[in-house]
Amino acid sequence: GAGVSQSPSNKVTEKGKDVELRCDPISGHTALYWYRQRLGQGLEFLIYFQGNSAPDKSGLPSDRFSAERTGESVSTLTIQRTQQEDSAVYLCASSPELVYNEQFFGPGTRLTVL
Amino acid sequence: DQQVKQNSPSLSVQEGRISILNCDYTNSMFDYFLWYKKYPAEGPTFLISISSIKDKNEDGRFTVFLNKSAKHLSLHIVPSQPGDSAVYFCAARTGGSNYKLTFGKGTLLTVNP
Repeated sequence: GAGVSQSPSNKVTEKGKDVELRCDPISGHTALYWYRQRLGQGLEFLIYFQGNSAPDKSGLPSDRFSAERTGESVSTLTIQRTQQEDSAVYLCASSPELVYNEQFFGPGTRLTVL
Repeated sequence: DQQVKQNSPSLSVQEGRISILNCDYTNSMFDYFLWYKKYPAEGPTFLISISSIKDKNEDGRFTVFLNKSAKHLSLHIVPSQPGDSAVYFCAARTGGSNYKLTFGKGTLLTVNP
């Protein structure tokens, strides 16, 4: 079956603009995660969703970052008024249920803020 | 503060030999550890995991060892193959309601033919 897909694969934007990143999880996966990886760093947790429960937003670095998910489907990560330090690869992952330890990752969106 | 540390940014080994990738952690609440492999322009893929109640888990050529007293784990690949060349991430999670993974910075493994 299809894996996790993300779009766009690359995004170049100017400082101060808003960007929206999309994630399509594996069908039937109830848990969805967003991470980012800045250059030379490990993956940094941003947010996760589990079904219709309130999301865990504890990893979002500032109020410029927000994410939405409708039910158990697509999620969008929005970054407002982008800054150069937002440049990173943004990775989405999903898993069948929250207690399932293995997370399945998408290919990521490489964001470059000029 | 980095709770999961991979102190070797890179490792180079000959095909057929053993690759040993190391990972240290500081959070004693971590109860589950995972290794992910990442090729360029792809997302990480799950490789192998270990629960804190075990000290070893083996899957084919891959074995993960956990030393809880030292807060150290290692991934052994035997025999190493050129296709194993990738970045390897160590990750950990705590139990209870916290399911987010904490990752190390990764180690680039190069297996030379």
